[in-house]
This record gives sequence, C-alpha cells and structure tokens, in this order.
Amino acid sequence: DAGVTQSPTHLIKTRGQQVTLRCSPKSGHDTVSWYQQALGQGPQFIFQYYEEEERQRGNFPDRFSGHQFPNYSSELNVNALLLGDSALYLCATAGPQETQYFGPGTRLLVL
Amino acid sequence: KNEVEQSPQNLTAQEGEFITINCSYSVGISALHWLQQHPGGGIVSLFMLSSGKKKHGRLIATINIQEKHSSLHITASHPRDSAVYICAVPKIYNTDKLIFGTGTRLQVFP
Repeated sequence: DAGVTQSPTHLIKTRGQQVTLRCSPKSGHDTVSWYQQALGQGPQFIFQYYEEEERQRGNFPDRFSGHQFPNYSSELNVNALLLGDSALYLCATAGPQETQYFGPGTRLLVL
Repeated sequence: KNEVEQSPQNLTAQEGEFITINCSYSVGISALHWLQQHPGGGIVSLFMLSSGKKKHGRLIATINIQEKHSSLHITASHPRDSAVYICAVPKIYNTDKLIFGTGTRLQVFP
C-alpha cells in the first residue's frame, strides 16, 4: 500500500497561470480533503470531496476548484495564480472508520 | 479563543529528556490527531486516538475525552525529534475537515 501520494512534489509558476495538483488516496479511502499551508502558518482547509462531489468548502475564492474521480483520486486546480498562492498544498484522505492520512504535499512557488 | 489550543508554543530540550506537549480543544469530537512536520516537509500522521493511550516507539499519546485534553510524550528525546508537533481534531465526524492547533516547535539539542 503506497499510502497517500501527491504530484508533483514541487512546482514553479508565474502570476496569472493555472496549476493542477493531484492526490491519490490510500487504499480503501474515499474522502479527500485539500489544505493550504503558507510558510510559517498552520494548514487551512480548502475543500473536501466525497463520492465525486464537493462536500465541504473553506474560505477560499472560486479560483480554487477541484475534482474527484471514480477511483477516488482528486485534483486541485488554481486559476489566475497570485503570489500569495505560494504554499505547501496538502491532501488528506480518509475512509469509513479510518483515520485521516496526509500526503507529502506539493510545494508551489508563484513568481 | 481558538477551538484547539496547544502548549507550549516553543520547546527546547537536551537529548535524552522527557518531553510533554499538551492540547486542549473545545469542539465536540470523537477523535484527535497528533501530527509531525519537519522544517520544509509534509505532515506525518503520528496518532489518531479516541480514548486512553497509544504508544509507538518512544512516542506516547493520551487523551481524556471528558476533559477535552490530550498529551503527546516523547521519551529519551533525540535531535531527530526536532519538528513542529500539531494536534488536530475533526469538526464533527472522523472524516470531517480538521481544525488544527497552532503547533509546538520542538528543538532537541545534542
């Protein structure tokens, strides 16, 4: 079991560009949550996907969107990137009666 | 007041010392997570516990659901334990979004 995996590990973009980050859940997990962690800050909840639907959403603008596929993997898309979007993006997955497990994160730098 | 509070915020120790980090929460939960994050690194799940005590190597986590308090202990601390330790609780259900504590930055010196 590979656990939670995320890709890419690092990414550099420029302002105004769009980015897609990917998360593959741990085997048996069907719920995927995305978090943004700015440097020196705690993680902030972006949204959660379950059964291919956005189930909960944090206080993030519509530039942040997501998707969950039938195999439970998920994508996070960010449009019109701003410098302030530079952060570590974490996904956490969970299954029924299961604890949440974090992926290693994708570090995004917006120049 | 934060829904999840940790203490201390910063902690320094000499190698070999016994370390305790505390977490108190005000939301109604069924479980609590202890997480570890090394500088520049991702988050590693250490424990999820809903009652009593769990032990993994030199790490011990305890929780008192009635008092809404949890502790993380590190025995025989080592410089490689230096990291930020975060407690987090799901808002309601186990799979719910997590509410994070502010973290405790631990530095263990040789």
